[in-house]
Order: sequence, then structure tokens, then C-alpha cells
Amino acid sequence: AQTVTQSQPEMSVQEAETVTLSCTYDTSESDYYLFWYKQPPSRQMILVIRQEAYKQQNATENRFSVNFQKAAKSFSLKISDSQLGDAAMYFCALNAGNMLTFGGGTRLMVKP
Amino acid sequence: DSGVTQTPKHLITATGQRVTLRCSPRSGDLSVYWYQQSLDQGLQFLIQYYNGEERAKGNILERFSAQQFPDLHSELNLSSLELGDSALYFCASSAGATGGYTFGSGTRLTVV
Repeated sequence: AQTVTQSQPEMSVQEAETVTLSCTYDTSESDYYLFWYKQPPSRQMILVIRQEAYKQQNATENRFSVNFQKAAKSFSLKISDSQLGDAAMYFCALNAGNMLTFGGGTRLMVKP
Repeated sequence: DSGVTQTPKHLITATGQRVTLRCSPRSGDLSVYWYQQSLDQGLQFLIQYYNGEERAKGNILERFSAQQFPDLHSELNLSSLELGDSALYFCASSAGATGGYTFGSGTRLTVV
């Protein structure tokens, strides 16, 4: 079985500041993929960033980057220069054995 | 437009009724996944189909069933509906285990 845990139900950040969302996971698979999805009020699920477990280099997509610590089974998301449009639910997800498992989500609020 | 089409977008029905949710995957994707998201909850995996065959089952109730047709579209059937079945039902598709899943916009089911 695989599990994904997001320990921060809510986070708040000032506009233009940086925020880090935490995620830990557990799997017995050696080959897996990790993702962060954003769910804005529209409820659409939007892929933000992905990380292949076999790659040591942390993934980056514009203002979004991850800190992937494989030994610690940790996968945090850093959002730089936060914008009002970043306000949303963020879900960490693990794809292992072709099964995508989600964490419980972190609600990010952005203060102007 | 993500390429994954779900219909209908909204559905209101009475307890005890049966409904069918439809999903057309992104072109070229053979796998279809169904997820349930209750209010302010994470996404719960229901069932996966790959090229017409059931591949994996999650916490899917016996009152729920699904199938994938030769043209790869999928239907999720929910019967003997209860108030607690009210949720957002997502369909997602993928080309394989290496990528993230592409989600449809969901079907919001309200049971009254």
C-alpha cells in the first residue's frame, strides 16, 4: 500500500513572498513519480509539477520548485513570488505501480 | 480544455435513484480512472480501467460500477443513491505510469 501525507491543512502567505508546502509519502515501489496538483475554486485539477524518483535533480516550473528528499520520502513544494491566483487547494500525489494516490490537501491563502 | 471530457457537469437526483456519469479520455490515453471528492476532502480512488479491462479497484461501493467501452470512453454507474453520495466525481486519463493524470472538469452530483 502507498500513502501520502500532507501535515498542513492550511497555509497563508503574503503576496510576493515565498511559501513551502510539505508532503511525505510511503511506497515499497522503487520506481515512482510524484506530483503536485492545484485545485482552484473552480475545482479543476491542474498539474503543477512532477518529479521522477530516479532523478536527483529537483524539478522546477517557473515560480514552482520542489525539494525532493528520496531517503526521507519527502516532497515539498516551494512557491516563489506568490500571486493572488496561487490561492487554491494543493494536493501532493504519488504514482507507484500505476496507481495515483493523493494526500489530504493543503489550502493556501494569499494575502494582498 | 484538458482533453478529458466529462458529462454531465451537474446532476441533481433523489435518494434511491440511479445515475450514469460519462467520461471520454484524452486522445491516445488507454487508462481511465474514477475518483470521488466529497466536500473539502481529498480525492478517493474508485476504479481504474485499461483498454477495456478493469485494472484496479479502490474504495468503491458495491452500489457503484463502471465499465470502459471499445472506443475507450467510460461510464460510472451509481445506484440506490444516498445523501452521502453527493460529491464531485472526477475522471482522469493517462497514457501510462510515467506521467501525471489529466483530469476532466468533474461531475458534481447532488442527492436530495
